[in-house]
Amino acid sequence: GDSVTQTEGPVTVSESESLIINCTYSATSIAYPNLFWYVRYPGEGLQLLLKVITAGQKGSSRGFEATYNKETTSFHLQKASVQESDSAVYYCALGAITGNTGKLIFGLGTTLQVQP
Amino acid sequence: AQTIHQWPVAEIKAVGSPLSLGCTIKGKSSPNLYWYWQATGGTLQQLFYSITVGQVESVVQLNLSASRPKDDQFILSTEKLLLSHSGFYLCAWRGQTNSDYTFGSGTRLLVI
Repeated sequence: GDSVTQTEGPVTVSESESLIINCTYSATSIAYPNLFWYVRYPGEGLQLLLKVITAGQKGSSRGFEATYNKETTSFHLQKASVQESDSAVYYCALGAITGNTGKLIFGLGTTLQVQP
Repeated sequence: AQTIHQWPVAEIKAVGSPLSLGCTIKGKSSPNLYWYWQATGGTLQQLFYSITVGQVESVVQLNLSASRPKDDQFILSTEKLLLSHSGFYLCAWRGQTNSDYTFGSGTRLLVI
């Protein structure tokens, strides 16, 4: 079936350190999956951080970036220098946005704690 | 600008009691509406979707029901809560033209 596996949290890093949250996927029922990273800050709803719809492309936002690698079925999230305000829960997801169901398959979420 | 409002923010309910969670979208006509749920330690999964008033499709069977009484309103409910219903519920909408999801702030439910 379709599934997403991501780094188990919590992940704790110090401010200005680099970050990588791993994400791998299996898309057996979706021919051309779109890949997403969502973020949930404390007390807020889920927000789209970045998305990539074409294999081989890279998405970036707020200093984060992720590359859609079809060969390794991965979509790792990276940031060169994290800030305390990046503390949040990060979700990797895949989906087929076309069609009304538009179901997203999420990973378990990775809690990131950035220490000052 | 479109806004999405979910209520309540959090609930503590007894097993066997009824539940009603709501979601209102303002500023967008005829959105596709969705309910997602995350059990503690589990992953977010889609429960229901609706593409028009009065029509709701179930994706996962959890002894919950959903209704769309108005174009901008989506209700999740059950007459008898189970312990397994605890978790985090998210409402979301998308435009009809394959746009991105916009999620609400969520409702945290604890069934005791």
